[in-house]
Amino acid sequence: DAKTTQPPSMDCAEGRAANLPCNHSTISGNEYVYWYRQIHSQGPQYIIHGLKNNETNEMASLIITEDRKSSTLILPHATLRDTAVYYCIVREWDSGYSTLTFGKGTMLLVSP
Amino acid sequence: GAGVSQSPSNKVTEKGKDVELRCDPISGHTALYWYRQSLGQGLEFLIYFQGNSAPDKSGLPSDRFSAERTGGSVSTLTIQRTQQEDSAVYLCASSPGGTAEETQYFGPGTRLLVL
Repeated sequence: DAKTTQPPSMDCAEGRAANLPCNHSTISGNEYVYWYRQIHSQGPQYIIHGLKNNETNEMASLIITEDRKSSTLILPHATLRDTAVYYCIVREWDSGYSTLTFGKGTMLLVSP
Repeated sequence: GAGVSQSPSNKVTEKGKDVELRCDPISGHTALYWYRQSLGQGLEFLIYFQGNSAPDKSGLPSDRFSAERTGGSVSTLTIQRTQQEDSAVYLCASSPGGTAEETQYFGPGTRLLVL
């Protein structure tokens, strides 16, 4: 899905915060920003989603710019188990269902 | 409770054989999705089930692919006369009611290799 742009890879030291950026400059008013990740040989795992306010859960924080054209996923204290491909997706909420379309994502490598 | 489960986890088959892949969604989830993910590629939607409604089969790549969902729970994806290009990871996801705002929860996938 060409609606989002992410860097292909990032490195992070264990214990440090990992900040993963995503550009979604063509996002429309009824589209939410979702983040999933996929650890090697596993199915995708939901992380967090938001519309325009910043969101936080037990896994991560999501910071969305005021113009909603970009966002940052923050893993506050990255561990080795956070090494994965992270996907930023925009999804339209309407009366029907919507399927997920992943781009190439960002490969995050957390090292000791 | 338990998450989405899929079986088998790995399947190796010969070209031309039929295969069946199974998905057990999260208990109580009425919506079920099948996707596939080829090596280095993103997700490709295959089919969607919601309750007793007719499934959305718009993503199935050919008539060799079919799926059913019995009793609104377990689903089986069948690929007939498999081809090498069918080799991929087949992922199943479920969500509570199938609306767009719901989070989809994925199973671990079935890795299919067609020789």
